[in-house]
Amino acid sequence: QVQLQESGPGLVKPSETLSLTCAVSGGSISTYYWSWIRQSPGKGLEWIGYIYNNGNTNYNPSLKSRVTISVDTSKNQFSLKLSSVTAADTAVYYCARDHWGPFDFWGQGTLVTVSS
Amino acid sequence: QSALTQPASVSGSPGQSITISCTGTSSDVGGYKYVSWYQQYPGKAPKLMIYEVSNRPSGVPDRFSGSKSGNTASLTISGLQAEDEADYYCSSYTTSSTYVFGTGTKVTVL
Repeated sequence: QVQLQESGPGLVKPSETLSLTCAVSGGSISTYYWSWIRQSPGKGLEWIGYIYNNGNTNYNPSLKSRVTISVDTSKNQFSLKLSSVTAADTAVYYCARDHWGPFDFWGQGTLVTVSS
Repeated sequence: QSALTQPASVSGSPGQSITISCTGTSSDVGGYKYVSWYQQYPGKAPKLMIYEVSNRPSGVPDRFSGSKSGNTASLTISGLQAEDEADYYCSSYTTSSTYVFGTGTKVTVL
């Protein structure tokens, strides 16, 4: 059974860079696409972007200028960086496996608050 | 890209059937079979309920079914049960090789 676990700081200051990592266990990261998805408090889901093991990425156009997703196949993990954060970036951030269409495995999510 | 449009809330009595709509465009819902549905309980991660418009992953009750017509996809819950009370989201692949989620629907079991 594939399991995903997000990790990273729970508090980030405005204008700084949010950095999260998703560790994948129970399966190789060298297959499938891997996505980051977020959910602002009381709001809906927002897809952030995905990465494939060869480094191929694609991002939500609304976040593209601030997002970088990278993969470390040796550690079976992938990461998210979101720069120049504001309070609007406060959300629960999820990592998920993209099974060529559906997101079939999800991490438990991690709350990141942007505040000084 | 704009979020797919879902009704904010849908309700029904136990045993009844309800349907949640998900309206997009020919650039997303109408153009691809990659429409999925997710169930989310408060404080929990979403769970995949339907993929490729109408397919159920192993373990999802057959009370849940999906369909699509044109730019609108639908999730039907037949024989509504108390544990079906949750938020539901649709998602679709897009022509830009990205994904877009629906606005979400709160299902209430009366």
